[in-house]
Amino acid sequence: EPEVTQTPSHQVTQMGQEVILRCVPISNHLYFYWYRQILGQKVEFLVSFYNNEISEKSEIFDDQFSVERPDGSNFTLKIRSTKLEDSAMYFCASPPDRLPDGYTFGSGTRLTVV
Amino acid sequence: RKEVEQDPGPFNVPEGATVAFNCTYSNSASQSFFWYRQDCRKEPKLLMSVYSSGNEDGRFTAQLNRASQYISLLIRDSKLSDSATYLCVVNTPNDYKLSFGAGTTVTVRA
Repeated sequence: EPEVTQTPSHQVTQMGQEVILRCVPISNHLYFYWYRQILGQKVEFLVSFYNNEISEKSEIFDDQFSVERPDGSNFTLKIRSTKLEDSAMYFCASPPDRLPDGYTFGSGTRLTVV
Repeated sequence: RKEVEQDPGPFNVPEGATVAFNCTYSNSASQSFFWYRQDCRKEPKLLMSVYSSGNEDGRFTAQLNRASQYISLLIRDSKLSDSATYLCVVNTPNDYKLSFGAGTTVTVRA
């Protein structure tokens, strides 16, 4: 079964610091997504990325966030100046080849801002 | 109105019991529907896609009612390993973005 790989699994950072979360999606997929889940809350869409460009972003994805594809296989989510409320699980996801097959999520990065 | 609403539960059932719960969605143009399972602090994992005729996968049965805009999941012969949060997930029309419900918590006790 194809996998989506995320690193690190857990990151603790001080408020105001920059963090970079990394993801390797399923290969050859042009679409790519980041989602966030604050503890005890629902999974929320952050941003979709298609063919090296942001295709859609949510209200959460403000100027503190950026997403890049530094090389052919890796994607990064950068938070420039973390806030306490950025503490959450961050998941990347690859879409299916056929929509009914469902999305594949990475195992997530648990970000704790102190 | 929230895009996807679920009965939060918790549903606390004995092993072997049947448990069922629903989800409603607000966008009548939604195209694809899923049930995902999420264990504590883990990623969502696809349990099953939901087809308009209803579909079954082992002990799990999903139903879709487009007219009333709700989706259901039924678990038969519950196992301890079925204890999890079940997420109702709907695809936004015209793109691949997903909208999640807040989840229904199921606890199966021995």
